[in-house]
Amino acid sequence: ETGVTQSPTHLIKTRGQQVTLRCSSQSGHNTVSWYQQALGQGPQFIFQYYREEENGRGNFPPRFSGLQFPNYSSELNVNALELDDSALYLCASSLDTSGRAREQFFGPGTRLTVL
Amino acid sequence: AQSVTQLGSHVSVSEGALVLLRCNYSSSVPPYLFWYVQYPNQGLQLLLKYTTGATLVKGINGFEAEFKKSETSFHLTKPSAHMSDAAEYFCAVSETNTGFQKLVFGTGTRLLVSP
Repeated sequence: ETGVTQSPTHLIKTRGQQVTLRCSSQSGHNTVSWYQQALGQGPQFIFQYYREEENGRGNFPPRFSGLQFPNYSSELNVNALELDDSALYLCASSLDTSGRAREQFFGPGTRLTVL
Repeated sequence: AQSVTQLGSHVSVSEGALVLLRCNYSSSVPPYLFWYVQYPNQGLQLLLKYTTGATLVKGINGFEAEFKKSETSFHLTKPSAHMSDAAEYFCAVSETNTGFQKLVFGTGTRLLVSP
């Protein structure tokens, strides 16, 4: 069973640029959630994708967007990067979208640095 | 909205000593609670979760947590710390809004284990 993978591991961008982060969900999982973890903080929910549609969003501006593909892999896109976007971005996959007891399986994350 | 509070950003113990990491929650509905561990430069790994039923939950690596409704707490314990337990620990509550589930995390507690 393959776990959640993310690419790239690290990324350095400058303010105003755009970035795309990628995530492959665990085998059989149809739901992907993205979280932002700033230094010294807990992860913050960005949004969730289920069957290729965004079905839930946290308190993040529209320049944070995403996609989910038929194989359930996902992308996180951030436009007009700001210094505060520097963080570890975590992808988590799970089976089914609802159900509060569902475990979310996390990938190793992508460390984004914005200069 | 549901939330969790982790008391103590850092906890230091000696190897072999009791580990106690504190988590209090706020929830208007019966909470589903999780503890995750994050090792340096890695993603989150589930230690244990409480959904319903038995209030004492056993997890991996010798950790356990007790759900106490009267105290709105879900503290994580381990009888004897090992050097390999040094990591960041996050308590989270599962929140299900319309159609999706998200995890709301605390700010984390860094566990330091000295020889």
